[in-house]
Amino acid sequence: DVKVTQSSRYLVKRTGEKVFLECVQDMDHENMFWYRQDPGLGLRLIYFSYDVKMKEKGDIPEGYSVSREKKERFSLILESASTNQTSMYLCASRHPGGAGEKLFFGSGTQLSVL
Amino acid sequence: AQSVSQHNHHVILSEAASLELGCNYSYGGTVNLFWYVQYPGQHLQLLLKYFSGDPLVKGIKGFEAEFIKSKFSFNLRKPSVQWSDTAEYFCAVNARKAAGNKLTFGGGTRVLVKP
Repeated sequence: DVKVTQSSRYLVKRTGEKVFLECVQDMDHENMFWYRQDPGLGLRLIYFSYDVKMKEKGDIPEGYSVSREKKERFSLILESASTNQTSMYLCASRHPGGAGEKLFFGSGTQLSVL
Repeated sequence: AQSVSQHNHHVILSEAASLELGCNYSYGGTVNLFWYVQYPGQHLQLLLKYFSGDPLVKGIKGFEAEFIKSKFSFNLRKPSVQWSDTAEYFCAVNARKAAGNKLTFGGGTRVLVKP
């Protein structure tokens, strides 16, 4: 079974802090994604990566950046955390077989910014 | 840009009742359609998907969904729900020619099945 592991289940940070969310997958997937999940809004794509050192903006990239130095690891960075970034963050990976391939999700990181 | 709309935010029903969750998308081209489910305390997982062919798709745990192209809809159904179907359900669409094959999700529907 594919395993997507997010380093923290819960995080509490202060406004203005730099925050790193880490995600590791063990199935050699080229594609990786970061979503945030908010009640009533579903999942919104922040950034995705086709492959190592490649990244593309999703629908809500403002205030975030990403890093993909190794194939298995995709990091989400909040340069200066703000209270409106309090959310559940979900990482996902996918085999690049095409648009019909399913995503494998991690368990999520619940981030609270105070 | 593609978008997905789920009609109900919350649904409450009793065991053995039938379930239908609405999903509409906006994109004029060819799409792949998905339903994902998130059980309490668990990660999101794929319930079923439509890629091509028969528009009636069967998934795990007795769920099915019907793709109606003329209505831009992909509604999820289950004839008789169980308490264990309590979860949040997300419809998603992937436009085949969209850059990056990114998946766009709807807002989700929380389903509570009363025993």
